[in-house]
Amino acid sequence: SYELTQPPSVSVSPGQTASITCSGDKLGDKYVCWYQQKPGQSPVLVIYQDTKRPSGVPERFSGSNSGNTATLTISGTQAMDEADYYCQAWDSSTFYVFGTGTKVTVL
Amino acid sequence: EVQLVESGGGLVQPGGSLRLSCAASGFTFSSYWMSWVRQAPGKGLEWVANIKPDGSEKYYVDSAKGRFTISRDNAKKSLYLQMNSLRAEDTAVFYCGRIIHETENSNRYFDLWGRGTLVTVSS
Repeated sequence: SYELTQPPSVSVSPGQTASITCSGDKLGDKYVCWYQQKPGQSPVLVIYQDTKRPSGVPERFSGSNSGNTATLTISGTQAMDEADYYCQAWDSSTFYVFGTGTKVTVL
Repeated sequence: EVQLVESGGGLVQPGGSLRLSCAASGFTFSSYWMSWVRQAPGKGLEWVANIKPDGSEKYYVDSAKGRFTISRDNAKKSLYLQMNSLRAEDTAVFYCGRIIHETENSNRYFDLWGRGTLVTVSS
């Protein structure tokens, strides 16, 4: 089965850049999206098709995907960005695969 | 307003059954693949099942095969998940999700989520 691995946690100072990685075999050959989930809330799509932002998502969120790693970057991180982040890809055998999740803490 | 609203969760004993519902509004429900995704307490997201717009194709995670059945009623703009033979490890918040499904490539993701309904399997 296909698996996506993320670091359990990332810490960042306000105004700095946070980078969250998502690793999987030949992940660059697939499309990756990212979800933000705040405590007690449902997930919200923040990046789709590797690099695209849905309407309403701030420009400080960006994505990339190449080789075996996709990355979600939050530039100028704000306190409101503190949340869990999940990557997701689609695989023909495992279907919808979510990453293990990363807790972003804004110190 | 574009939204999904789940219902039907609750406390059920091991081996019991439960039927979840998801009411859609604000968009053409019959045009979208739909899905159930669950999240065990303190854990990550896990895809459970999805269904084609016309209901002709259904797919399940291995742990749900033979126990869960996904269905839909496009006239009622509703998605369902019938869960039988429930186990303690099925305890989770179950989310209804709208899928963006591009047939020509692997670009498939959830662009709309409900608030979830909690299923607790315990004696």
